[in-house]
Amino acid sequence: AQSVTQLGSHVSVSEGALVLLRCNYSSSVPPYLFWYVQYPNQGLQLLLKYTTGATLVKGINGFEAEFKKSETSFHLTKPSAHMSDAAEYFCAVLYGNNRLAFGKGNQVVVIP
Amino acid sequence: NAGVTQTPKFRVLKTGQSMTLLCAQDMNHEYMYWYRQDPGMGLRLIHYSVGEGTTAKGEVPDGYNVSRLKKQNFLLGLESAAPSQTSVYFCASSGWEVSGANVLTFGAGSRLTVL
Repeated sequence: AQSVTQLGSHVSVSEGALVLLRCNYSSSVPPYLFWYVQYPNQGLQLLLKYTTGATLVKGINGFEAEFKKSETSFHLTKPSAHMSDAAEYFCAVLYGNNRLAFGKGNQVVVIP
Repeated sequence: NAGVTQTPKFRVLKTGQSMTLLCAQDMNHEYMYWYRQDPGMGLRLIHYSVGEGTTAKGEVPDGYNVSRLKKQNFLLGLESAAPSQTSVYFCASSGWEVSGANVLTFGAGSRLTVL
């Protein structure tokens, strides 16, 4: 069965510092992987996705993620955090009938 | 460019009452979903639909029913609300992409409180 693990429910990062959110997945087939962001009182927006091909995927707002099959990981990074990056981030894997299985999420707090 | 619209946005119910959440999408998407979001639990799939007239159970279907009589609408019903159903409910839809990695588009959410 497909599943996603995100460790550390709350992540604090200083403004200007590296943002690193870890995601490990379990999938019986080559995975399609996603990162979504949720700003307060809003729905989820797509940050980026991995399908096939290039393992380094660039998304919106300066975020990128690298697919590492050997480590079953899809970690999200941003070189320099901005106050506007404060949000909740979800990693997800696609499985049968186009369903998404989500991780529990990381609440990112940016410290000025 | 409405995308996915959920109504109502907020609702307070008493235990045992019934209600229906409506989801409407204007993107001609085949797939539609209902998720619930609870603190520390991420999003969990309640029910989904792969096309007009079809529905299927997700991860946490108990206490909920759904219907998809029209392609653009997906209704989530609570027949007898319980406090455990206090949550934020998200509807999503997706179509077909050549890559196969069909992206879900989410609504803004419906916050339900059951007293």
